Amino acid sequence: RKEVEQDPGPFNVPEGATVAFNCTYSNSASQSFFWYRQDCRKEPKLLMSVYSSGNEDGRFTAQLNRASQYISLLIRDSKLSDSATYLCVVTAYGGATNKLIFGTGTLLAVQP
Amino acid sequence: DAGVTQSPTHLIKTRGQQVTLRCSPKSGHDTVSWYQQALGQGPQFIFQYYEEEERQRGNFPDRFSGHQFPNYSSELNVNALLLGDSALYLCASSLGGQPTDTQYFGPGTRLTVL
Repeated sequence: RKEVEQDPGPFNVPEGATVAFNCTYSNSASQSFFWYRQDCRKEPKLLMSVYSSGNEDGRFTAQLNRASQYISLLIRDSKLSDSATYLCVVTAYGGATNKLIFGTGTLLAVQP
Repeated sequence: DAGVTQSPTHLIKTRGQQVTLRCSPKSGHDTVSWYQQALGQGPQFIFQYYEEEERQRGNFPDRFSGHQFPNYSSELNVNALLLGDSALYLCASSLGGQPTDTQYFGPGTRLTVL
């Protein structure tokens, strides 16, 4: 079983739609949680951190459920520029590093 | 304020050759991590360097080695290249490398092994 699992998609949605991505992680001792965005043939960039209380940044809302080991990302009012791969990421537990464990990513294509 | 830089941008090698990739961390950062991203996959952790020492290593063979210099820049070396080593190699930097520290990625080096 992969440490971080995501639906690879692709998710094809029209502009203005609301889309939700889900992710599960296997290590209950994981410490930190993130969503990264990766454009085609570019490096991953941090979209937002994810906290147990839930957090929002404009049209983006992230939720963490530690009991279910489940992370979500909601994008409202999708824009063409939101088209990218969204990577669910957790940090490993143990050691003194911030090693990141990535899911395979979910591809979002927003259609005009 | 310069971000993370990597060189070269692209590289083509043949099986059995050796390659060295370079990374300069974001200004003020002292920790460098390397990741391998195969096509259609998420990045996989190779190793992390802090204070010129390898602090943690992922599930990669000894053909993958690295180094960190006193100015915090880093190199990734891969010996005896295999076709399966073709991937985007990403360098990420942070300050201290603690679990809550944000990592910033460079643009990557795309390695093709023929």
